Amino acid sequence: KNEVEQSPQNLTAQEGEFITINCSYSVGISALHWLQQHPGGGIVSLFMLSSGKKKHGRLIATINIQEKHSSLHITASHPRDSAVYICAVLGGGADGLTFGKGTHLIIQP
Amino acid sequence: GAGVSQSPSNKVTEKGKDVELRCDPISGHTALYWYRQSLGQGLEFLIYFQGNSAPDKSGLPSDRFSAERTGGSVSTLTIQRTQQEDSAVYLCASSLPPLYGYTFGSGTRLTVV
Repeated sequence: KNEVEQSPQNLTAQEGEFITINCSYSVGISALHWLQQHPGGGIVSLFMLSSGKKKHGRLIATINIQEKHSSLHITASHPRDSAVYICAVLGGGADGLTFGKGTHLIIQP
Repeated sequence: GAGVSQSPSNKVTEKGKDVELRCDPISGHTALYWYRQSLGQGLEFLIYFQGNSAPDKSGLPSDRFSAERTGGSVSTLTIQRTQQEDSAVYLCASSLPPLYGYTFGSGTRLTVV
């Protein structure tokens, strides 16, 4: 079973700061997802990666398959970025996603 | 529809009753997943449907849980003889074949009293 670890668990930053959230996993995967969960509970898929790097607006996600590690970066952070960010991996013997415990991000104005 | 639709959005039930949760995936999405998010815990995988293949039920926590997907579209998750520990948000997601991006529904919040 894949073990997915995220860090930090909680992060409070000031508006405008560059944010990095890390994810590591224990078993080879076919894809990695970064998800965003807002206080109301809805989940939005931000990225799905199997290699390299993806960028969408102020969000950047990278993955290093050899090191079994991914990072989610937020540039010019804004209070509306406040949410729980969840890393989830697909593969390693399971058909469904295996989730990290999430990173609770608060961006203060 | 434009997104994954789940119903009901909230359900309160008495311990021991059966409940049915419904998921309408995005039209054309062949893969459908059920996940559960319990209070204070992370998300956990329950069951996966891909096309007409037999579902992967490896995540179902007990034999009180079952799910079906009719006609490769709508799915129903049934919990029999509900227990308080079944209280959670049940999320459905769909995708084209699994290596495409997921779309999540807004979930059903189940409370067993």
